[in-house]
Amino acid sequence: DAGITQSPRYKITETGRQVTLMCHQTWSHSYMFWYRQDLGHGLRLIYYSAAADITDKGEVPDGYVVSRSKTENFPLTLESATRSQTSVYFCASSDRGTTQYFGPGTRLLVL
Amino acid sequence: RKEVEQDPGPFNVPEGATVAFNCTYSNSASQSFFWYRQDCRKEPKLLMSVYSSGNEDGRFTAQLNRASQYISLLIRDSKLSDSATYLCVVGSGGSQGNLIFGKGTKLSVKP
Repeated sequence: DAGITQSPRYKITETGRQVTLMCHQTWSHSYMFWYRQDLGHGLRLIYYSAAADITDKGEVPDGYVVSRSKTENFPLTLESATRSQTSVYFCASSDRGTTQYFGPGTRLLVL
Repeated sequence: RKEVEQDPGPFNVPEGATVAFNCTYSNSASQSFFWYRQDCRKEPKLLMSVYSSGNEDGRFTAQLNRASQYISLLIRDSKLSDSATYLCVVGSGGSQGNLIFGKGTKLSVKP
């Protein structure tokens, strides 16, 4: 039972580079979410998706792009990374839009 | 007013103690309520859902007061392994299943 996985688990990049964080779930959950977690802010929603090809903005979407061509995958792309995007990124999925199950996270450092 | 507010702690308690966490939320339309647990450098994990009638799971008891928009978590007979950050989580009230996370209350159980 793989559940929900994220890759890479750790990433160091430079300002201005494009970075893609991957999220994969094996439960066939309809809903998927991307959060970032920073000290002093808690978890903040970046984007979410209710189904394949349906995505919508969360609280902090600027600088990020998502796609969902397949139900099981929900990649998050930082088009041009900035230092303020240094954070821990969590992907989550949900079956009926209630209880969410989280992946292990990706720690991103932008230099 | 912040959407979900929690005392950040830390709560430092001895093993065997009873400890209570409180949380208030601002959206009266919220319909779903949860407590998540997050260990250091790990992903949040569902501890328990919170129901209007109150519910118990072993040493953990959750209460919801809709009139006061207040949620609580009681931990009895604290164990060292209970040391973690406890996140109060509230459904946004919409159909998309979005959750609003509190910043968490840190618990440290000492021998």
